[in-house]
Amino acid sequence: NAGVTQTPKFQVLKTGQSMTLQCAQDMNHEYMSWYRQDPGMGLRLIHYSVGAGITDQGEVPNGYNVSRSTTEDFPLRLLSAAPSQTSVYFCASSPSTSGGSDTQYFGPGTRLTVL
Amino acid sequence: AQSVTQLGSHVSVSEGALVLLRCNYSSSVPPYLFWYVQYPNQGLQLLLKYTTGATLVKGINGFEAEFKKSETSFHLTKPSAHMSDAAEYFCAVSVNDMRFGAGTRLTVKP
Repeated sequence: NAGVTQTPKFQVLKTGQSMTLQCAQDMNHEYMSWYRQDPGMGLRLIHYSVGAGITDQGEVPNGYNVSRSTTEDFPLRLLSAAPSQTSVYFCASSPSTSGGSDTQYFGPGTRLTVL
Repeated sequence: AQSVTQLGSHVSVSEGALVLLRCNYSSSVPPYLFWYVQYPNQGLQLLLKYTTGATLVKGINGFEAEFKKSETSFHLTKPSAHMSDAAEYFCAVSVNDMRFGAGTRLTVKP
C-alpha cells in the first residue's frame, strides 16, 4: 500500500491564482481530512469528509473548497490564493467514519508559498 | 468544540533523562486522545492513543501516556531520552473530528 499520497510536494503561487492540491489513499478509508500547519499553531482542520459525496467544514474553511467524488480521492481547491494561505498542507485518512475514534494516517505534506 | 493545550513549545533534555511533555484538553464529552510525532519534513506518525479502558497507554519507541480525567490531562513520558527522539510532538483530542495542540519541540542534548 502506498498509504496517503499528496501532490505536489512544493508549490509557489502568485496572489489570486487558483490551484488544486491532490490527495489520494489506497486503504479504502471512509474518513479523509485536510489540515494546514503553521508555526506555533499546530495543525488546524480545514475540511473533512466521512464518505464519498459528503463533506463538512472544519476550523478554518474560508478560501478553500473540497469535493469527494470517490472514496480514494479528496482534492483541496484554493480559488484565489492569498499570502495568508502560505502554509504546509497535510491530508489524512482514517478507517473510522467519524474520524474521531481511530488513528488518522497522514500524507507527507505539500508546502505552499503564495507571493 | 474540544481543544488542546500543550504546555511548553520547546523542551530540552539530556540523553538518558526523563522526557515529560504536557497536554491538557477540554471536551464536553469523553474524548479520544492521541499523541503524534513529526520528524523534520515529514508527516505525522501516531505514537499512542487512548480511547477507553486502561488509562495508562503504551506506545511506540518506549513512550507512554496516562489519561487523568480529574486533571483533564494526557501527559507523554519516556523514562530515558534518546537522540533519535528529537522531533516535534503533537497532542490531539477527538470527538467528531480531531483537534491538535500547538506542538512541543523536543531537543535531546548529548
